[in-house]
Amino acid sequence: ETGVTQTPRHLVMGMTNKKSLKCEQHLGHNAMYWYKQSAKKPLELMFVYNFKEQTENNSVPSRFSPECPNSSHLFLHLHTLQPEDSALYLCASSQDEGGATEAFFGQGTRLTVV
Amino acid sequence: KNQVEQSPQSLIILEGKNCTLQCNYTVSPFSNLRWYKQDTGRGPVSLTIMTFSENTKSNGRYTATLDADTKQSSLHITASQLSDSASYICVGFTGGGNKLTFGTGTQLKVEL
Repeated sequence: ETGVTQTPRHLVMGMTNKKSLKCEQHLGHNAMYWYKQSAKKPLELMFVYNFKEQTENNSVPSRFSPECPNSSHLFLHLHTLQPEDSALYLCASSQDEGGATEAFFGQGTRLTVV
Repeated sequence: KNQVEQSPQSLIILEGKNCTLQCNYTVSPFSNLRWYKQDTGRGPVSLTIMTFSENTKSNGRYTATLDADTKQSSLHITASQLSDSASYICVGFTGGGNKLTFGTGTQLKVEL
Protein backbone atom coordinates (compact mmCIF):
# COMPACT_ATOMS: atom_id res chain seq x y z
CA GLU A 1 0.00 0.00 0.00
CA THR A 2 1.09 3.58 -0.66
CA GLY A 3 0.19 5.07 2.72
CA VAL A 4 -2.73 7.00 1.23
CA THR A 5 -6.16 5.55 1.98
CA GLN A 6 -9.38 6.54 0.25
CA THR A 7 -12.93 5.65 1.20
CA PRO A 8 -15.27 4.56 -0.10
CA ARG A 9 -13.75 2.57 -2.97
CA HIS A 10 -17.01 2.65 -4.92
CA LEU A 11 -19.92 5.07 -4.76
CA VAL A 12 -23.16 5.28 -6.69
CA MET A 13 -25.20 8.41 -6.13
CA GLY A 14 -28.19 10.15 -7.60
CA MET A 15 -27.97 13.64 -8.98
CA THR A 16 -29.79 15.06 -5.97
CA ASN A 17 -27.70 13.28 -3.33
CA LYS A 18 -24.98 14.67 -1.12
CA LYS A 19 -21.99 12.49 -0.38
CA SER A 20 -18.38 12.87 0.69
CA LEU A 21 -15.13 11.21 -0.31
CA LYS A 22 -12.45 10.78 2.32
CA CYS A 23 -8.69 10.61 2.01
CA GLU A 24 -6.16 9.98 4.76
CA GLN A 25 -2.38 9.87 4.50
CA HIS A 26 0.00 8.39 7.05
CA LEU A 27 3.19 9.67 5.45
CA GLY A 28 3.63 12.98 7.25
CA HIS A 29 3.26 14.87 3.99
CA ASN A 30 2.37 18.53 3.82
CA ALA A 31 0.56 18.64 0.49
CA MET A 32 -2.58 16.79 -0.61
CA TYR A 33 -4.38 16.71 -3.93
CA TRP A 34 -7.61 15.67 -5.57
CA TYR A 35 -7.50 14.39 -9.14
CA LYS A 36 -10.23 13.29 -11.51
CA GLN A 37 -9.53 10.47 -13.95
CA SER A 38 -12.03 9.91 -16.76
CA ALA A 39 -11.76 7.17 -19.35
CA LYS A 40 -9.25 7.87 -22.13
CA LYS A 41 -8.24 11.20 -20.55
CA PRO A 42 -5.18 12.28 -18.58
CA LEU A 43 -5.49 12.84 -14.86
CA GLU A 44 -6.99 16.24 -14.17
CA LEU A 45 -5.84 18.17 -11.12
CA MET A 46 -8.80 19.51 -9.16
CA PHE A 47 -7.54 20.92 -5.87
CA VAL A 48 -4.27 21.35 -4.02
CA TYR A 49 -3.82 21.86 -0.29
CA ASN A 50 -0.53 22.75 1.34
CA PHE A 51 -0.33 22.84 5.14
CA LYS A 52 -4.16 22.68 5.24
CA GLU A 53 -4.55 25.76 3.05
CA GLN A 54 -6.03 25.52 -0.42
CA THR A 55 -3.45 26.72 -2.91
CA GLU A 56 -5.11 25.72 -6.14
CA ASN A 57 -8.62 25.31 -7.48
CA ASN A 58 -8.35 24.25 -11.08
CA SER A 59 -11.63 25.82 -12.23
CA VAL A 60 -13.64 23.06 -10.60
CA PRO A 61 -17.46 23.48 -10.51
CA SER A 62 -18.86 24.46 -7.14
CA ARG A 63 -20.74 21.17 -6.86
CA PHE A 64 -17.35 19.81 -5.74
CA SER A 65 -16.32 21.24 -2.37
CA PRO A 66 -13.02 20.24 -0.76
CA GLU A 67 -12.19 20.35 2.92
CA CYS A 68 -8.85 19.85 4.62
CA PRO A 69 -9.20 19.86 8.43
CA ASN A 70 -5.55 18.91 8.96
CA SER A 71 -2.50 17.87 6.96
CA SER A 72 -3.45 14.19 7.14
CA HIS A 73 -7.07 14.34 6.01
CA LEU A 74 -8.77 15.57 2.88
CA PHE A 75 -12.43 15.42 1.95
CA LEU A 76 -14.33 16.04 -1.24
CA HIS A 77 -17.96 16.94 -0.65
CA LEU A 78 -20.27 16.22 -3.56
CA HIS A 79 -23.74 17.63 -4.23
CA THR A 80 -26.07 17.85 -7.22
CA LEU A 81 -23.59 16.09 -9.47
CA GLN A 82 -24.10 15.37 -13.15
CA PRO A 83 -23.68 12.04 -14.96
CA GLU A 84 -20.52 13.39 -16.64
CA ASP A 85 -18.96 13.64 -13.19
CA SER A 86 -18.76 9.85 -13.11
CA ALA A 87 -15.07 9.03 -12.92
CA LEU A 88 -12.28 7.69 -10.73
CA TYR A 89 -11.37 10.27 -8.10
CA LEU A 90 -7.83 9.99 -6.84
CA CYS A 91 -6.27 11.53 -3.78
CA ALA A 92 -2.52 12.03 -3.60
CA SER A 93 -0.01 13.45 -1.17
CA SER A 94 3.57 14.64 -1.36
CA GLN A 95 6.11 16.01 1.06
CA ASP A 96 6.00 19.43 -0.57
CA GLU A 97 3.57 21.09 -2.94
CA GLY A 98 4.05 20.63 -6.64
CA GLY A 99 5.94 17.86 -8.34
CA ALA A 100 9.48 18.20 -7.09
CA THR A 101 8.93 15.43 -4.57
CA GLU A 102 7.34 12.05 -5.08
CA ALA A 103 3.55 11.90 -5.12
CA PHE A 104 1.78 8.92 -3.60
CA PHE A 105 -1.71 8.08 -4.75
CA GLY A 106 -4.59 6.40 -3.01
CA GLN A 107 -6.58 3.58 -4.55
CA GLY A 108 -9.27 5.95 -5.76
CA THR A 109 -13.02 6.15 -5.43
CA ARG A 110 -14.98 4.95 -8.44
CA LEU A 111 -17.93 7.35 -8.60
CA THR A 112 -21.03 6.69 -10.67
CA VAL A 113 -23.69 9.38 -10.90
CA VAL A 114 -27.10 8.10 -11.97
CA LYS B 1 1.24 24.63 -23.61
CA ASN B 2 2.69 21.69 -21.69
CA GLN B 3 1.84 18.35 -23.25
CA VAL B 4 2.72 14.69 -22.82
CA GLU B 5 1.92 12.25 -25.60
CA GLN B 6 2.26 8.50 -25.28
CA SER B 7 2.36 5.69 -27.77
CA PRO B 8 1.05 3.21 -28.46
CA GLN B 9 -2.37 3.70 -26.85
CA SER B 10 -2.59 -0.01 -26.21
CA LEU B 11 -0.37 -3.02 -26.59
CA ILE B 12 -0.77 -6.78 -26.26
CA ILE B 13 2.27 -8.98 -25.79
CA LEU B 14 2.97 -12.57 -24.80
CA GLU B 15 4.29 -13.40 -21.39
CA GLY B 16 8.08 -13.44 -21.30
CA LYS B 17 8.46 -10.97 -24.16
CA ASN B 18 9.98 -7.50 -23.90
CA CYS B 19 8.26 -4.27 -24.86
CA THR B 20 8.98 -0.55 -25.06
CA LEU B 21 6.54 2.26 -24.41
CA GLN B 22 7.16 5.76 -25.76
CA CYS B 23 6.58 9.21 -24.35
CA ASN B 24 7.10 12.58 -26.06
CA TYR B 25 6.87 15.57 -23.81
CA THR B 26 6.70 19.31 -24.18
CA VAL B 27 7.17 20.57 -20.66
CA SER B 28 8.91 23.84 -20.06
CA PRO B 29 10.89 24.52 -18.04
CA PHE B 30 11.56 20.83 -17.61
CA SER B 31 12.37 19.54 -14.16
CA ASN B 32 11.73 15.79 -14.10
CA LEU B 33 9.87 13.01 -15.85
CA ARG B 34 8.10 10.11 -14.18
CA TRP B 35 6.59 6.83 -15.16
CA TYR B 36 3.67 5.42 -13.18
CA LYS B 37 2.00 2.02 -13.32
CA GLN B 38 -1.73 1.97 -12.73
CA ASP B 39 -3.53 -1.33 -12.25
CA THR B 40 -7.20 -1.36 -13.22
CA GLY B 41 -9.34 0.31 -10.57
CA ARG B 42 -6.36 1.37 -8.47
CA GLY B 43 -4.22 4.46 -8.03
CA PRO B 44 -0.97 5.05 -9.94
CA VAL B 45 2.25 3.78 -8.39
CA SER B 46 5.58 5.40 -9.19
CA LEU B 47 8.13 3.39 -11.17
CA THR B 48 10.87 5.94 -11.91
CA ILE B 49 11.67 9.64 -11.69
CA MET B 50 14.38 11.14 -13.88
CA THR B 51 15.83 14.63 -14.00
CA PHE B 52 17.28 16.16 -17.15
CA SER B 53 20.77 14.98 -16.19
CA GLU B 54 19.78 11.32 -16.04
CA ASN B 55 19.69 9.19 -19.19
CA THR B 56 18.48 5.95 -17.74
CA LYS B 57 17.03 4.57 -14.55
CA SER B 58 16.00 1.04 -13.67
CA ASN B 59 13.51 -0.42 -11.25
CA GLY B 60 13.67 -4.19 -11.45
CA ARG B 61 12.49 -5.28 -14.88
CA TYR B 62 11.52 -1.70 -15.75
CA THR B 63 14.10 0.58 -17.38
CA ALA B 64 13.29 4.16 -18.28
CA THR B 65 15.37 6.30 -20.63
CA LEU B 66 15.34 10.03 -21.12
CA ASP B 67 16.62 12.13 -24.01
CA ALA B 68 16.33 15.75 -22.93
CA ASP B 69 17.43 16.99 -26.34
CA THR B 70 14.65 15.29 -28.28
CA LYS B 71 12.24 15.45 -25.33
CA GLN B 72 11.57 11.75 -25.50
CA SER B 73 11.38 9.05 -22.89
CA SER B 74 10.81 5.34 -23.09
CA LEU B 75 9.90 2.62 -20.64
CA HIS B 76 11.30 -0.81 -21.41
CA ILE B 77 9.81 -3.85 -19.73
CA THR B 78 11.92 -6.99 -19.75
CA ALA B 79 10.61 -10.55 -19.54
CA SER B 80 7.02 -9.44 -19.11
CA GLN B 81 4.73 -11.10 -16.60
CA LEU B 82 0.96 -11.29 -16.40
CA SER B 83 1.09 -8.85 -13.48
CA ASP B 84 2.59 -6.22 -15.79
CA SER B 85 -0.85 -5.82 -17.36
CA ALA B 86 -1.74 -2.24 -16.47
CA SER B 87 -1.80 1.31 -17.74
CA TYR B 88 1.60 3.03 -17.84
CA ILE B 89 1.46 6.79 -17.47
CA CYS B 90 4.20 9.24 -18.37
CA VAL B 91 4.22 12.48 -16.37
CA GLY B 92 6.29 15.61 -16.87
CA PHE B 93 7.01 18.10 -14.13
CA THR B 94 7.81 21.72 -14.74
CA GLY B 95 9.42 23.69 -11.99
CA GLY B 96 7.81 26.80 -13.39
CA GLY B 97 4.42 26.86 -11.71
CA ASN B 98 4.93 23.49 -10.03
CA LYS B 99 2.83 21.61 -12.56
CA LEU B 100 2.52 17.94 -13.32
CA THR B 101 1.40 17.16 -16.87
CA PHE B 102 -0.02 13.67 -17.36
CA GLY B 103 -0.13 11.57 -20.49
CA THR B 104 -3.19 9.48 -21.29
CA GLY B 105 -1.27 6.27 -20.70
CA THR B 106 -0.45 3.10 -22.62
CA GLN B 107 -2.69 0.17 -21.80
CA LEU B 108 -0.54 -2.96 -21.72
CA LYS B 109 -1.96 -6.46 -21.67
CA VAL B 110 0.29 -9.46 -21.15
CA GLU B 111 -1.18 -12.76 -22.28
CA LEU B 112 -0.20 -16.41 -21.95
